[in-house]
Amino acid sequence: DAGVTQSPTHLIKTRGQQVTLRCSPKSGHDTVSWYQQALGQGPQFIFQYYEEEERQRGNFPDRFSGHQFPNYSSELNVNALLLGDSALYLCASSSVRVPDTQYFGPGTRLTVL
Amino acid sequence: GESVGLHLPTLSVQEGDNSIINCAYSNSASDYFIWYKQESGKGPQFIIDIRSNMDKRQGQRVTVLLNKTVKHLSLQIAATQPGDSAVYFCAESLDTPLVFGKGTRLSVIA
Repeated sequence: DAGVTQSPTHLIKTRGQQVTLRCSPKSGHDTVSWYQQALGQGPQFIFQYYEEEERQRGNFPDRFSGHQFPNYSSELNVNALLLGDSALYLCASSSVRVPDTQYFGPGTRLTVL
Repeated sequence: GESVGLHLPTLSVQEGDNSIINCAYSNSASDYFIWYKQESGKGPQFIIDIRSNMDKRQGQRVTVLLNKTVKHLSLQIAATQPGDSAVYFCAESLDTPLVFGKGTRLSVIA
C-alpha cells in the first residue's frame, strides 16, 4: 500500500521564477492538502483540494495555486518566487469520509536564491 | 500559530525512561487532535489521534491525554528508545485544516 509520494525531493530556483510541485495521495484517499513548513516551525496550511476543486485556503497569496487531477493527484504552483518561499512543502492526503486524519508525504525542499 | 523560530523546546530523556511531551492548543471548539513525529528531512508521521469526546487514548507505547478545560494535550511515550528522537508536533482540527502547535524536540540519551 503506497503512502503519499511527492516529487521532486529537492528544488533550487531563483527569485521571480515559477515552480510546480507534485503529489500522489495514499491509496484510497481522495483529498489532498498542501502545507508550507519553514525551518524550525510547524507546517502551515496552504489549501485543500477535493473533487478537483479548492475547498479551503489558508492565508497565502494568489501566487500560490493548485490543481487536482481525476486520479486525485495534485500539483502546487508558485509564481514569482520570493526568497521567503524557501521551505519544505508538504502534501497530506485524507479520505473525505475522515477528512481530518491526514497522512503526510516526505515533502519537497524548495530553495529560492 | 506562534512562531518559535529555530529554538524549539527540547526534552532530553534517558533511554528506557518514559517521556511526556505537552502541547497547549488554541481553539476551544477544536474537536480532533493528532500527534505527529517528524525526523530530520522527512515529513510528519502520524502517531496517534484523539477526538474531543475522549480524554485518553492508548496506542503501542504511546498514550495521548486531552484536557479540554485547560486546552492541553500531552503525549506519553513509554520506554523511550533512540529511534524516538525527533521533533513532535500536536495539531488541532475543526472541520480541517490542521493547525499545528509548537514543536518539541525529543532527544534520547543512550
